[in-house]
Amino acid sequence: ETGVTQSPTHLIKTRGQQVTLRCSSQSGHNTVSWYQQALGQGPQFIFQYYREEENGRGNFPPRFSGLQFPNYSSELNVNALELDDSALYLCASSSGRIGVGYTFGSGTRLTVV
Amino acid sequence: GENVEQHPSTLSVQEGDSAVIKCTYSDSASNYFPWYKQELGKRPQLIIDIRSNVGEKKDQRIAVTLNKTAKHFSLHITETQPEDSAVYFCAATPSGAGSYQLTFGKGTKLSVIP
Repeated sequence: ETGVTQSPTHLIKTRGQQVTLRCSSQSGHNTVSWYQQALGQGPQFIFQYYREEENGRGNFPPRFSGLQFPNYSSELNVNALELDDSALYLCASSSGRIGVGYTFGSGTRLTVV
Repeated sequence: GENVEQHPSTLSVQEGDSAVIKCTYSDSASNYFPWYKQELGKRPQLIIDIRSNVGEKKDQRIAVTLNKTAKHFSLHITETQPEDSAVYFCAATPSGAGSYQLTFGKGTKLSVIP
């Protein structure tokens, strides 16, 4: 059984640029959730994808968008990067929409300069 | 929406002592409460969870208690070891339309002193 993998592990971008982060879900999981974890804070829910559709969204602006593919992998896209977007971005896969049984990936550390 | 408060933010204990971390939540309809351990530079890992129809759950040195009336839940670690040093997060899942997301506390940095 494979775990949740995220790529890249680290990324440095300039303010105003766009970024795409990727997540491969654990085998057998059909749901991917994305979280933003600022330094010294708990993860904050961005959105969730279930069977290729956005299933719910947290308090993040529209410049945060995503996709889920038929193999249940997912992408997080952030446009017009701001300095405050610097954070660890975590994805978690689960089976079903309810937020139990989450398995987190190791995250992508994004630095916006 | 759901709001989760976690205390203390930092906790230092001597090896072998017990550690207790407390969380309160705001949505009385929340029904699932996991605890995650995050070591420096690593992913959050689920260590124990509890559902609203259960008051206490134990797994070896770790236990979680839930008081639905007071809307608080606690993590208890007994016989602490240096490898327990990490940041611990509590979380809650609201019922209904918000049941797809976890709302996390801000974390407790536990240091176990050998």
